[in-house]
Amino acid sequence: EADIYQTPRYLVIGTGKKITLECSQTMGHDKMYWYQQDPGMELHLIHYSYGVNSTEKGDLSSESTVSRIRTEHFPLTLESARPSHTSQYLCASSDPGQGSSPLHFGNGTRLTVT
Amino acid sequence: GENVEQHPSTLSVQEGDSAVIKCTYSDSASNYFPWYKQELGKGPQLIIDIRSNVGEKKDQRIAVTLNKTAKHFSLHITETQPEDSAVYFCAASVESNYQLIWGAGTKLIIKP
Repeated sequence: EADIYQTPRYLVIGTGKKITLECSQTMGHDKMYWYQQDPGMELHLIHYSYGVNSTEKGDLSSESTVSRIRTEHFPLTLESARPSHTSQYLCASSDPGQGSSPLHFGNGTRLTVT
Repeated sequence: GENVEQHPSTLSVQEGDSAVIKCTYSDSASNYFPWYKQELGKGPQLIIDIRSNVGEKKDQRIAVTLNKTAKHFSLHITETQPEDSAVYFCAASVESNYQLIWGAGTKLIIKP
């Protein structure tokens, strides 16, 4: 069972609204990530963080922004939602230290912008 | 940059038979190759990974093989069961999760 939590699970919202997708983890992981995924399709990294006050953009250009004020919390914000933002957003974290370690994913937020 | 191709996109096998999913990568510097399983409505979960200093790794019914010369790696599932039905993703990186490049996924269907 994942110790990484995303809320809401589903969100339907109108164009132009500001939204924040929440992600929290209780494992004390320094590294956190946001992925965008169309259902059943490949994952695209949009943001990541090495730790508190660290944020970087991923490979896929995104109009969203992130913040990392606390280790356990990594929210993603869209200032003005558009239909092109309709997708699933997955948050993940991994152990601190060097190299690669397993990504722990939340169950995602499925966003629909009408 | 790195590119990972995954085949097939859909695989249907009879319960009890074996399933094989193949991935190729382009960057010869890649040295970390994880496999993730994503069940419906859930996030992906790591099921096995392999590093470039190893040619094969097994964990019960799951095994991964790596051919660095040919730049391909494969996931093998033996004695498939209904709970193996899911989407499977391969990925490759140069020992960094920030650089994980993902395959497009394989939908595995286990027929009863």
